[in-house]
Amino acid sequence: DQQVKQNSPSLSVQEGRISILNCDYTNSMFDYFLWYKKYPAEGPTFLISISSIKDKNEDGRFTVFLNKSAKHLSLHIVPSQPGDSAVYFCAASVAGNTPLVFGKGTRLSVIA
Amino acid sequence: EAQVTQNPRYLITVTGKKLTVTCSQNMNHEYMSWYRQDPGLGLRQIYYSMNVEVTDKGDVPEGYKVSRKEKRNFPLILESPSPNQTSLYFCASRGQVRADTQYFGPGTRLTVL
Repeated sequence: DQQVKQNSPSLSVQEGRISILNCDYTNSMFDYFLWYKKYPAEGPTFLISISSIKDKNEDGRFTVFLNKSAKHLSLHIVPSQPGDSAVYFCAASVAGNTPLVFGKGTRLSVIA
Repeated sequence: EAQVTQNPRYLITVTGKKLTVTCSQNMNHEYMSWYRQDPGLGLRQIYYSMNVEVTDKGDVPEGYKVSRKEKRNFPLILESPSPNQTSLYFCASRGQVRADTQYFGPGTRLTVL
């Protein structure tokens, strides 16, 4: 049973517009959430995280929103740039240093 | 420069021939782990280690072994590789606290014929 779901395998956005990547989770014990970005032929790199005590965390062009009641989080990228084209993974963990659980990823294409 | 290195980056082998993929980190991280990435399945954890001599199974440990004799190294061993282990493998490390950034290696693409 998949605990972290990214239901959109791909997303295309025009340069300068907003990209919204979505992630749903089923395990109510998850209390820490992360987004990773992956370019081809490279390992994933950490992008942004959020603890369940917050509902928003912002870092430059990237903002993560958490809706605990809906068990949903989203990553907003504003404005989107061609260099943002990559696969984005949502991940979650339970308190106590447990392993991260990853979603299947969403491929974002930002078109110039 | 902080990094996680993996070797080899690419490997083609045959069924049953034992192989080891090495992983090394230079950040003195306690936590290390191995993942595999497969199309449509995302990243799945194979094994992880909280510290030297402490290892534990992840989601898909069957057919794999690991060891953690030194803090910096965490090799992945396939004693008898099979075609269903053809995949892209990533090693990762981070500090003790889960809020620490997890760094990934560049990946090892393994093909088992």
